[in-house]
Amino acid sequence: ETGVTQTPRHLVMGMTNKKSLKCEQHLGHNAMYWYKQSAKKPLELMFVYSLEERVENNSVPSRFSPECPNSSHLFLHLHTLQPEDSALYLCASSQDGTEGDEKLFFGSGTQLSVL
Amino acid sequence: SQQGEEDPQALSIQEGENATMNCSYKTSINNLQWYRQNSGRGLVHLILIRSNEREKHSGRLRVTLDTSKKSSSLLITASRAADTASYFCATDDNNDMRFGAGTRLTVKP
Repeated sequence: ETGVTQTPRHLVMGMTNKKSLKCEQHLGHNAMYWYKQSAKKPLELMFVYSLEERVENNSVPSRFSPECPNSSHLFLHLHTLQPEDSALYLCASSQDGTEGDEKLFFGSGTQLSVL
Repeated sequence: SQQGEEDPQALSIQEGENATMNCSYKTSINNLQWYRQNSGRGLVHLILIRSNEREKHSGRLRVTLDTSKKSSSLLITASRAADTASYFCATDDNNDMRFGAGTRLTVKP
């Protein structure tokens, strides 16, 4: 148990559905992240929130919409996805400081299949 | 964009042997980290080495860093079947962690 909980663990959705992924961290961290992991590809950083403000958006399509209502919760809202969006979506958190040695704590991920 | 790049892509060894994985990166870094991932699960932090360090140990893990060559290696000694997993290096890029595609390690009992 890393202190980062993701739900659901598995999700199957059609291309016209709307769904949300949820992430909750119990570590008191001030930064949260969404990563996408496709088979045999590097992890792709999607979004970064620091102190509840979005600081990074790596040209992610608008069909992915993040929300960070407070420092403990992070959502990824999904709508009109494509089959190529099928992947493992990982949430992570860290405590950002001035040392520059922040470690990431990951949840177990949501395995998403888009039909 | 990808920062670290692991080599080899896959490695298969017998239990008890040592496993060495390499990582190369492109830009200057504050630190380099290694993570482990069991299939279909999240990544778990293993060890961090700062840019002013050359070698670090943690249990059966040994990490080296050569900033002149922009490379790092992870050595797992006396491997066990439970070490079977994917291993990733990660570097900080403007305070965002970026990962390579990983090395898939299989340790046969």
